[in-house]
Amino acid sequence: GAVVSQHPSWVICKSGTSVKIECRSLDFQATTMFWYRQFPKQSLMLMATSNEGSKATYEQGVEKDKFLINHASLTLSTLTVTSAHPEDSSFYICSAPFTGQYNEQFFGPGTRLTVL
Amino acid sequence: GESVGLHLPTLSVQEGDNSIINCAYSNSASDYFIWYKQESGKGPQFIIDIRSNMDKRQGQRVTVLLNKTVKHLSLQIAATQPGDSAVYFCAENMGAGNMLTFGGGTRLMVKP
Repeated sequence: GAVVSQHPSWVICKSGTSVKIECRSLDFQATTMFWYRQFPKQSLMLMATSNEGSKATYEQGVEKDKFLINHASLTLSTLTVTSAHPEDSSFYICSAPFTGQYNEQFFGPGTRLTVL
Repeated sequence: GESVGLHLPTLSVQEGDNSIINCAYSNSASDYFIWYKQESGKGPQFIIDIRSNMDKRQGQRVTVLLNKTVKHLSLQIAATQPGDSAVYFCAENMGAGNMLTFGGGTRLMVKP
């Protein structure tokens, strides 16, 4: 199946710093990618849809100035958590749909962010 | 739908038994459903999918049942193994830009 990678897999940072997370589709192109966050023992919550060549679409309640998304190419989307605070600590997961009639989605391995 | 602030329900089964995990979805217009398995610290892994024009689909040891009348999805795992221990999520595709909406998830624990 198609492979989606994320980097880094784990990051620890001080409060107030910015953290960039990369999501790459390794063997297919993705004009759209999705960013989710997951708190412990909870389900995945969609944060935003990343669109190649245009602005990201954010879900209600997600601050676009805090979670900057850039879809730089057909295989790369980045999520930057700006001025991170402890409450931003979470598991961030991206996904990319594999082009097809029903657009099966492949997920990255996730990035665990811990803000001290 | 989402289950913000709730702990995951847990299903505990004996190794070798069959497991049934249930999910209620929210949108009657959804036309594609997927079950994902998520192990601790990892991203979701695709298990099986089903289109809305079907009511049953079988995989190697898994079966998904879809009841559109009551908007209910189930995942059956035959001869459950310790490696099946994980959290299982159902997801629905509402057809708009490929967005998936995840259910709350169920933790499956397999006792040896």
